[in-house]
Amino acid sequence: AQSVTQLDSQVPVFEEAPVELRCNYSSSVSVYLFWYVQYPNQGLQLLLKYLSGSTLVKGINGFEAEFNKSQTSFHLRKPSVHISDTAEYFCAVSGFNQAGTALIFGKGTTLSVSS
Amino acid sequence: GAGVSQSPSNKVTEKGKDVELRCDPISGHTALYWYRQSLGQGLEFLIYFQGNSAPDKSGLPSDRFSAERTGGSVSTLTIQRTQQEDSAVYLCASSSGPLNTEAFFGQGTRLTVV
Repeated sequence: AQSVTQLDSQVPVFEEAPVELRCNYSSSVSVYLFWYVQYPNQGLQLLLKYLSGSTLVKGINGFEAEFNKSQTSFHLRKPSVHISDTAEYFCAVSGFNQAGTALIFGKGTTLSVSS
Repeated sequence: GAGVSQSPSNKVTEKGKDVELRCDPISGHTALYWYRQSLGQGLEFLIYFQGNSAPDKSGLPSDRFSAERTGGSVSTLTIQRTQQEDSAVYLCASSSGPLNTEAFFGQGTRLTVV
């Protein structure tokens, strides 16, 4: 079974500052990793994903994340945030096997960007 | 359809009543997921359907919860004898296959048990 821990429930940051949202996972099999974003009063949408290959993945809106297998982490970063990045961010993991496994989410991190 | 459709969008029910929540996944998507979203709890996995395989029911919180997926398409989540702690937003998602390349989410059903 897989599990996800998002280490920070809330991250307040000023506009144009860098941000890192932390995510650690646990799994007995190889994994796929995802970050989803939920803007206020909207549905969830995919921000970026790691399936294989380069451990640094880039997503929409200038976000990127790095897969670190030894530390079982998949932290999300952005060098300069905007007010519009205020949202809830969810890290998710899926185990890799032929039948597929459920997509398991963390509890989310609320990013609040202020001016 | 163009996206994942859930109905109803809002449901208010009395404690002890049964409710059914419906999900229409994206056409052709073989994987379907149900989640429950409560404040501060993130997305709690409930159940996962993949093609003709037996569903992964490991996330269902009690035997009052059940789900079906008919014909590999539409899914219904049923909650029997609802309790106030069942109040939450129930989200459905679908993806094109078992490798979970991207799950597309519906807008959810907000369930309020009074």
